Amino acid sequence: DAMVIQNPRYQVTQFGKPVTLSCSQTLNHNVMYWYQQKSSQAPKLLFHYYDKDFNNEADTPDNFQSRRPNTSFCFLDIRSPGLGDAAMYLCATSRGFTGEGEQFFGPGTRLTVL
Amino acid sequence: KNQVEQSPQSLIILEGKNCTLQCNYTVSPFSNLRWYKQDTGRGPVSLTIMTFSENTKSNGRYTATLDADTKQSSLHITASQLSDSASYICVVSGGFQKLVFGTGTRLLVSP
Repeated sequence: DAMVIQNPRYQVTQFGKPVTLSCSQTLNHNVMYWYQQKSSQAPKLLFHYYDKDFNNEADTPDNFQSRRPNTSFCFLDIRSPGLGDAAMYLCATSRGFTGEGEQFFGPGTRLTVL
Repeated sequence: KNQVEQSPQSLIILEGKNCTLQCNYTVSPFSNLRWYKQDTGRGPVSLTIMTFSENTKSNGRYTATLDADTKQSSLHITASQLSDSASYICVVSGGFQKLVFGTGTRLLVSP
């Protein structure tokens, strides 16, 4: 089945130690998104790629970076995780523009920062 | 300011009962409204997506309604099951703009 896959499902890192979260999709969608979701809060968009074009949200900290080497894969790099970065990170995809295409979410990666 | 407000914040119902969740929005322009179900520790899963011209849409025991004039939507769950326990998130799109998420309603279905 076509889907959005995130690895790992659970990630533990130490304060300040770089970490990379991975997302892959078999839907062949041209748009991929990264969201941060803290407990009992709505997902917050960090950035998205429309094909190779990177779109960063204005309030996304510089600590968060992303790479999209090809259509199928997208990575979230947290250069120096702080305690406040502990959250669920959701990857999503859509075909077409941000607001038009239905978004399909992955199962998420739960990040713990010690 | 583009906002999506959901009520109630949380809800407990008995298995087999019906319930209705509310969503009010101020997003403009409006393109579509989506309801997602998010199980604890999982990503959101789409239930329905409605455009301006659609008043109601069903997906099994889930029925969403949309009143674009009053900018209100509801999600009705019929004959609730234990597996319906989850957060239900209302999301509104303004077209090319990014999605505006509500904070969700946490539903607990009790045996």
